[in-house]
Amino acid sequence: DAGVIQSPRHEVTEMGQEVTLRCKPISGHDYLFWYRQTMMRGLELLIYFNNNVPIDDSGMPEDRFSAKMPNASFSTLKIQPSEPRDSAVYFCASSVGFRNQPQHFGDGTRLSIL
Amino acid sequence: DAKTTQPNSMESNEEEPVHLPCNHSTISGTDYIHWYRQLPSQGPEYVIHGLTSNVNNRMASLAIAEDRKSSTLILHRATLRDAAVYYCILNKAAGNKLTFGGGTRVLVKP
Repeated sequence: DAGVIQSPRHEVTEMGQEVTLRCKPISGHDYLFWYRQTMMRGLELLIYFNNNVPIDDSGMPEDRFSAKMPNASFSTLKIQPSEPRDSAVYFCASSVGFRNQPQHFGDGTRLSIL
Repeated sequence: DAKTTQPNSMESNEEEPVHLPCNHSTISGTDYIHWYRQLPSQGPEYVIHGLTSNVNNRMASLAIAEDRKSSTLILHRATLRDAAVYYCILNKAAGNKLTFGGGTRVLVKP
């Protein structure tokens, strides 16, 4: 079975540029999560969706970050404008249901903002 | 939210059991205990979870103290592929918002 697919795997861009990260959840999963991992702060939940609707975005750091889920098989996390402190590994995860169901993570996108 | 405390690192020899402790003294009655692991350059991977009773699956066993203030993840025979960071997480019964702590880095020696 195909797992959670993220693209690109690596992204290097200059400060001020727009960055778009993509995620394809596992087919049939109705919850999608975006996380960010840094050495300083560890793994943090940014936002999660249920049936394509954003439920909790309290972890989104600021207005430069936005996430969308136009359909059940695709989600994007956008940073505009990007800053060096946004450099991190961004993970997408999906699950069936919300009540203590295992989350399945992608391999992440390593983002470097110069 | 209740927090967990884990040792920063542990070492084990290949093919020996590994016991990973987790302290969660402020756990509430509705908190489930989840374990995930993260291999190098990969996303976290679900390992096991439980509420009160000990749990077993193909990856590991979870032993939960009677007062639920601590638990232990048991890898029965460590392999080199088990070298990873292991996270112990408390998850509300009605929710699925994972709060990752620092985890325990497991080193497996051949």
